[in-house]
Amino acid sequence: QKEVEQNSGPLSVPEGAIASLNCTYSDRGSQSFFWYRQYSGKSPELIMSIYSNGDKEDGRFTAQLNKASQYVSLLIRDSQPSDSATYLCAVNFFNTGNQFYFGTGTSLTVIP
Amino acid sequence: GAGVSQSPSNKVTEKGKDVELRCDPISGHTALYWYRQSLGQGLEFLIYFQGNSAPDKSGLPSDRFSAERTGGSVSTLTIQRTQQEDSAVYLCASSRDPQETQYFGPGTRLLVL
Repeated sequence: QKEVEQNSGPLSVPEGAIASLNCTYSDRGSQSFFWYRQYSGKSPELIMSIYSNGDKEDGRFTAQLNKASQYVSLLIRDSQPSDSATYLCAVNFFNTGNQFYFGTGTSLTVIP
Repeated sequence: GAGVSQSPSNKVTEKGKDVELRCDPISGHTALYWYRQSLGQGLEFLIYFQGNSAPDKSGLPSDRFSAERTGGSVSTLTIQRTQQEDSAVYLCASSRDPQETQYFGPGTRLLVL
C-alpha cells in the first residue's frame, strides 16, 4: 500500500511567521517529490519540486527532503494571508510505473 | 504556450445518463493523468496515460469508468450510467515526462442529480 501522509490541520499561523508543513511517504524508492497549493474551488498549482536530499529554496519557500527518514517538508517564511490555502504533497512512487500519490493536504490559515 | 484545458467546466446530468469529459494537455506533454476530487477531499488517482497507452488503470472506481487518449494528445474520460456518488471535480494534469511536474487543468465539476 503506497501512502503519503500529511496532517490535515487546520494549521494557523500569524502573519509574518514561519509555517511548517510536513509529509511522510511509504516507498523508500521514491525519487520525485512535489508541493502543490490549492485555493478553495481552484486547481492545484505547483509550488516546488525536489529530487535530492537537503534543502531547496525559492523565494519565501523552502522544501526539505530526507530520503532516509522518508520525510519531505515545506517551510513558508514571512507568511502572508494570501498563503492561506490547502497544501498538497505529491510523491512519484518509483515501483508503480510513475503513478503519483497525493496526500490529503494540510489546510493553512495565515491570520492578519 | 496554453495550459491544460478541460471541457465542459460544469456538467449537470441525471442519474443513469452517460457523460464524457475532455482534457487537452499542454502541447508536447507525453504523460496525462486523471484525478477525482470530492468536496473537501484529497485527490483520487483514476488513470495515467503515457502516450496513447494506459499502463495503470487501477484507479478507475468501476467498469462504468473508461478513458482513452488519441494521437498522444486529447483524452476523454467517460462515465456510463452515472450515479450520485460520481459527483465531484474531475481534474486532468499533464507532464512532459512521467517523473516531472504535473500541470493541472481547471477541472470539470460534475453534478449527478
